[in-house]
Amino acid sequence: IAGITQAPTSQILAAGRRMTLRCTQDMRHNAMYWYRQDLGLGLRLIHYSNTAGTTGKGEVPDGYSVSRANTDDFPLTLASAVPSQTSVYFCASSVTSGRGTDTQYFGPGTRLTVL
Amino acid sequence: GQNIDQPTEMTATEGAIVQINCTYQTSGFNGLFWYQQHAGEAPTFLSYNVLDGLEEKGRFSSFLSRSKGYSYLLLKELQMKDSASYLCAVRDSDYKLSFGAGTTVTVRA
Repeated sequence: IAGITQAPTSQILAAGRRMTLRCTQDMRHNAMYWYRQDLGLGLRLIHYSNTAGTTGKGEVPDGYSVSRANTDDFPLTLASAVPSQTSVYFCASSVTSGRGTDTQYFGPGTRLTVL
Repeated sequence: GQNIDQPTEMTATEGAIVQINCTYQTSGFNGLFWYQQHAGEAPTFLSYNVLDGLEEKGRFSSFLSRSKGYSYLLLKELQMKDSASYLCAVRDSDYKLSFGAGTTVTVRA
């Protein structure tokens, strides 16, 4: 069982280019999340999805879009990358049963540099 | 939204105890989490509190006071491998997590 995988591991991207970060989980979790992590700011939520077919905006959604066509995949797209989007991006997933801890589990991250 | 504060850095000696405090202001509380994050790696789950009191898990314990908006993570018998960043996160009623900036703990020999 892989848990959550992300691709690519790292990427250097020219400003203005389009980029999709991939995230796949095999735990059948209903909820998935995208965060960015910047030094001194901690993890900030970009977008989330509570179930396949639905998405929502987090704290810092501008410049990013997501889709959730099925339970396992939750890609994050930067339509036209800017240098301020240089960051480490983490995907996470959880169940949201309301009956237990419903912990979020994180993927290994994608380090993105926009020049 | 949430406002979560924790110290930026702490240093302690191997074998000692360190307590990392976290204070929060929330618009809807549905649990508090502590995660550990080693440099260059993903956060990993350490502990969860939703009711007041102490939760103990081996060398790690976490405490919560909802009325005070306060939690702490206690690390006992520190080992070199405990050098990492510790993230406090508050979950809201919509099941979204808000994270503090993290506390970097350095364990010295």
